[in-house]
Amino acid sequence: DAGVTQSPTHLIKTRGQQVTLRCSPKSGHDTVSWYQQALGQGPQFIFQYYEEEERQRGNFPDRFSGHQFPNYSSELNVNALLLGDSALYLCASSRDYGYTFGSGTRLTVV
Amino acid sequence: ELKVEQNPLFLSMQEGKNYTIYCNYSTTSDRLYWYRQDPGKSLESLFVLLSNGAVKQEGRLMASLDTKARLSTLHITAAVHDLSATYFCAVDFPPGSQGNLIFGKGTKLSVKP
Repeated sequence: DAGVTQSPTHLIKTRGQQVTLRCSPKSGHDTVSWYQQALGQGPQFIFQYYEEEERQRGNFPDRFSGHQFPNYSSELNVNALLLGDSALYLCASSRDYGYTFGSGTRLTVV
Repeated sequence: ELKVEQNPLFLSMQEGKNYTIYCNYSTTSDRLYWYRQDPGKSLESLFVLLSNGAVKQEGRLMASLDTKARLSTLHITAAVHDLSATYFCAVDFPPGSQGNLIFGKGTKLSVKP
């Protein structure tokens, strides 16, 4: 049973560029959440998708947007990248309670 | 403001010793999660505590939840080097929902021989 799959694993972008990260949830899970984890910090909630709609959003600017597809997979888009966006981006899927995290995408903005 | 506070933030232990990590939270959540993270890796689920008084054990780790005190503990028994990692506690917000997780800052555990 495949867990949560994220791609790519690593990414280097230049300030001002745009990036798209992808997530395939664990089989049977219908809810996808995205988190940003800066070095040495705990993960911070970005937003959550359920039934292809954003259900909840954390304290992140509109530069961060997302999408969920009918097969429950999800994308995270970040526009106008800043140096401070460099972090590990984690996707978590869930159904009912309990969350399974993917291995993350390490984004470096230079 | 919702807060999840862990202490200590750094813990250096000797192998064979016991210690406890504490997690205090400010919401009324009755659901608490513990995760382990190795350097550069993702989060591994350790325990999900679903009700007041819940206690779960796996190997040398035991977690408990006191919702009245808004406190969870992660107890380490006879530590071994393989337990070296960062441990996070988290709660659902809004409480009781399948909402987002609010994490503590993490406790970086180093077990030395």
